[in-house]
Amino acid sequence: SQQGEEDPQALSIQEGENATMNCSYKTSINNLQWYRQNSGRGLVHLILIRSNEREKHSGRLRVTLDTSKKSSSLLITASRAADTASYFCATDASSGYALNFGKGTSLLVTP
Amino acid sequence: GAVVSQHPSRVICKSGTSVKIECRSLDFQATTMFWYRQFPKQSLMLMATSNEGSKATYEQGVEKDKFLINHASLTLSTLTVTSAHPEDSSFYICSARGGGGTYNSPLHFGNGTRLTVT
Repeated sequence: SQQGEEDPQALSIQEGENATMNCSYKTSINNLQWYRQNSGRGLVHLILIRSNEREKHSGRLRVTLDTSKKSSSLLITASRAADTASYFCATDASSGYALNFGKGTSLLVTP
Repeated sequence: GAVVSQHPSRVICKSGTSVKIECRSLDFQATTMFWYRQFPKQSLMLMATSNEGSKATYEQGVEKDKFLINHASLTLSTLTVTSAHPEDSSFYICSARGGGGTYNSPLHFGNGTRLTVT
């Protein structure tokens, strides 16, 4: 079953701008992960933030986590056309070590 | 590291036939693999957890007799869609946990299989 909900569902920006995506979830978590999916491909892991962390950086990515609000955000700075993809947040599923994925944000970066 | 290979990438089959999809972990051992299904412009839905050497665990609403999963080795899991129907047409993606397979390790995904049933 799905746990995370991203918003916005779709986001269109120009190269160089920042893109912010938000994720809300329902139950307690060990960690929250963000993934990227190019059209018709598998998902690629971007970043993992643990439940006791509030912020994490990786290159142009910045992730925040607010466990009191059960929400997370992904910021992509200085976006590029190559960042065009769908972005999903994911949290632990009730089934072992699987993950539940949100509905995703479709990001379009135009040159 | 932590590469997952999925084959085939695309398959078209006729109604009533069966299709097998393979998922291999190329540079790590995966005692557990996960099979997801994705409809166009939608999220991934967990279908089942594949366990090496034992029966798969299916999510509620997923027919185990229709979606047969075999995990015969530490690097290979297969999903067989039996007696396929047009409504089974979808994008199927396998994944496995790297880094020891714990909660704090990411999932590594295959590139997916686009199944079209005519």
